[in-house]
Amino acid sequence: EDQVTQSPEALRLQEGESSSLNCSYTVSGLRGLFWYRQDPGKGPEFLFTLYSAGEEKEKERLKATLTKKESFLHITAPKPEDSATYLCAVQYRGSYIPTFGRGTSLIVHP
Amino acid sequence: EPEVTQTPSHQVTQMGQEVILRCVPISNHLYFYWYRQILGQKVEFLVSFYNNEISEKSEIFDDQFSVERPDGSNFTLKIRSTKLEDSAMYFCASRGGSPTDTQYFGPGTRLTVL
Repeated sequence: EDQVTQSPEALRLQEGESSSLNCSYTVSGLRGLFWYRQDPGKGPEFLFTLYSAGEEKEKERLKATLTKKESFLHITAPKPEDSATYLCAVQYRGSYIPTFGRGTSLIVHP
Repeated sequence: EPEVTQTPSHQVTQMGQEVILRCVPISNHLYFYWYRQILGQKVEFLVSFYNNEISEKSEIFDDQFSVERPDGSNFTLKIRSTKLEDSAMYFCASRGGSPTDTQYFGPGTRLTVL
């Protein structure tokens, strides 16, 4: 059973059409939750780390939020350059190794 | 801005051959990692390395894999006898000394085993 589930698998948006990506996790004792952006053929690029429920972080058009069982990555007024796969990874107590979800592939059409 | 670098960007090898993938982590980082990502699948942890020894490893990291930090800057992953199923992107990552420090990833090496 996957410990980190991301939805949707793929998302197509029009430029300016805001939406949210979801990351839910099943393990207890969260140490940290990470969001990364991955462009095709490239390594994951760090976006945010969240540590506790209620925490929020923002960067440009992206805002990440965390509850006890899931995180959302909100994309406001996206642009075509926001097209990428967004990865969520969870680090739980007992290990320093993050477990990755399968990612959400986002395409923003002009 | 400091970044993790990896060489080569693409490695093609014959099944059964040995390959060495190279990484230069961010200079003041203390923890080093290798991950792999098979095409279309999720990023999978292979091994973590701290203080010149393996600190954690996954089931994927069997006896055909080894890691080494031969000098103060390089971190290598060796696959002794490659298999077709080893074809994947291999990512190196590094982080600072705190467990909550962010892991920064390199651009990856695409390994193709024929």
